[in-house]
Formats: sequence, C-alpha cells, structure tokens
Amino acid sequence: QQKVQQSPESLIVPEGGMASLNCTSSDRNVDYFWWYRQHSGKSPKMLMSIFSNGEKEEGRFTVHLNKASLHTSLHIRDSQPSDSALYLCAAGGGSNNRIFFGDGTQLVVKP
Amino acid sequence: GGIITQTPKFLIGQEGQKLTLKCQQNFNHDTMYWYRQDSGKGLRLIYYSITENDLQKGDLSEGYDASREKKSSFSLTVTSAQKNEMAVFLCASSEANANTEVFFGKGTRLTVV
Repeated sequence: QQKVQQSPESLIVPEGGMASLNCTSSDRNVDYFWWYRQHSGKSPKMLMSIFSNGEKEEGRFTVHLNKASLHTSLHIRDSQPSDSALYLCAAGGGSNNRIFFGDGTQLVVKP
Repeated sequence: GGIITQTPKFLIGQEGQKLTLKCQQNFNHDTMYWYRQDSGKGLRLIYYSITENDLQKGDLSEGYDASREKKSSFSLTVTSAQKNEMAVFLCASSEANANTEVFFGKGTRLTVV
C-alpha cells in the first residue's frame, strides 16, 4: 500500500518561477514529514523537515504542514536550473517507527 | 558526521545468480534500510532492521534476503537475479527515534545480463 502520495509526478517551471510540490499521507499515525532532494546520479539528501503545523522557511524554500489533513507542500521561489532534481516526500512516526517515502516529483527548471 | 559505505559500487551478475550487496555505517545508528530505485522512480523499501539481528520485511522483500550481522553492517542478497530488477540499491541508516533524518549511501548499481 502506498502511504505517501506525491503530486505532480513531474513539473517543469521556468527559471525564476515558483515550483509547488504536494505530499499527503494516508497513515494517520504519522507525525513527522521530510522533503529530500535527489540530483541525477546522486543519493537523496534531506532538504527540510517539518513536524508542527504551519510554515517553515529556509532561503528560497518554504514548507507547509497541515497535520489535520496530513498534507505538506514544498514551494521553491526564484527556481534555478540547479534545483532540477527528484523531490521525495517522507513521512514517519507511529508504533513501528517506520519512515515511508513517496514516489517523488521530478522537477525540471528550464533556463 | 558519519558515512555509509556500499560495496560494490557496480555489480554485474548473470540471470539466476545469487548476488550479495554490502553496507557499512559509522553513524552508530540503530536502524538500517535497503531500498531499490528503478531509473527515474521513487524508493521502494526491501528490508529494514531496527537493531542487530533484527529483520523487518518491506514492500518489496520477495526475491531478497537480508542480514544484520552487527550494528554497523547490513547486507542484502538477491536470491536469483532477474533482468527486470536492474536498478540502484540504496542502503540507508537512521537513529531509532521516529523524528529522525535518514542518511543514504551512494548506492550499488545492479546490471543483470
């Protein structure tokens, strides 16, 4: 069963534009969400985490979390070609401590 | 900081062959994972282990075995390699807490001929 759903599957934005990525968990036990970024040929690396309702900003990246709907979103403003990557959402918590990853959103930023 | 070392980096095997992938971490993490990533796709969990000698099946465990011989190492065996499982296998580790970051190795790329 897929416990973390991401949308869209792929996204193309122009350089300087805003990229918005979505992620929802179907497991009501999850408490924690992360966004990982994976450049082509590299391993995933954590980009941002969010554990509380609300918003968190780090530079050009902003994440939102709504715990009631188990929905998180990642927004990248002033997108750069170097932001082109696979973005993976992860959700964790619950009694088995397992972390679930979504299938990812492939972001392409066109110069 | 720590590091996760996966060996080999590239693995070529014949169809039907038994193949073993190895992973070592020096984070002193309790939990270790094996994921499979097909080209351009997301991560699928094969096995994970929350402590030495523990094994938990993931969503894709059929056709694979795993072994957590000690806290720092976690190996994965492809019991009978198939051409449709050419992929990158990623080892990862994290602390035992639920709110913890997962760290990844650089991967082993499997090719089956």
